[in-house]
Amino acid sequence: QQQVRQSPQSLTVWEGETAILNCSYENSAFDYFPWYQQFPGEGPALLISILSVSNKKEDGRFTIFFNKREKKLSLHIADSQPGDSATYFCAASAGFASALTFGSGTKVIVLP
Amino acid sequence: NAGVIQTPRHKVTGKGQEATLWCEPISGHSAVFWYRQTIVQGLEFLTYFRNQAPIDDSGMPKERFSAQMPNQSHSTLKIQSTQPQDSAVYLCASSLVAYEQYFGPGTRLTVL
Repeated sequence: QQQVRQSPQSLTVWEGETAILNCSYENSAFDYFPWYQQFPGEGPALLISILSVSNKKEDGRFTIFFNKREKKLSLHIADSQPGDSATYFCAASAGFASALTFGSGTKVIVLP
Repeated sequence: NAGVIQTPRHKVTGKGQEATLWCEPISGHSAVFWYRQTIVQGLEFLTYFRNQAPIDDSGMPKERFSAQMPNQSHSTLKIQSTQPQDSAVYLCASSLVAYEQYFGPGTRLTVL
């Protein structure tokens, strides 16, 4: 049972475009949704996160849009840069200091 | 400030040998999580300690895997009688007993 689903599996955008990564979940108890960025050979790095009481979170070029009713969220990467090329994971947890459930990841390639 | 430290970064074992992986959490963080990452299964939760006490080991294989946190500065994951299917990147994350989890670079375990 895959509780956190991500799409697309891979995404290629041109430099300067907005990349949109999608995530959905099944467990209504999930209340915390972080996005992690991972480069080859490195561990996942916390990029941005949102709590279920909010519907939008911005941090620079990165924005999370959250729809609790539909159990969906998305990560928008504005003005994409080649350095943003990485795999992005959506994750979820129920309550603080709880195990994270990860999606399968979206590989983003930004072409110069 | 140093992030989560994991040693060794790479470990190669023969089938049937034991492997011990080390994790040093961020100073002051009282929660430690272990995850495993493979191409096929993705990122999976294994086990979690809070203030050195085991809280949740629901993701740990019942045989051959064990984890300990003897003091607040390190945790170990031990795999006895390693099998080829144990080959993975083992990731440790620490948290201030809050929502955010910060990952180390991982230990790549290869079982021949």
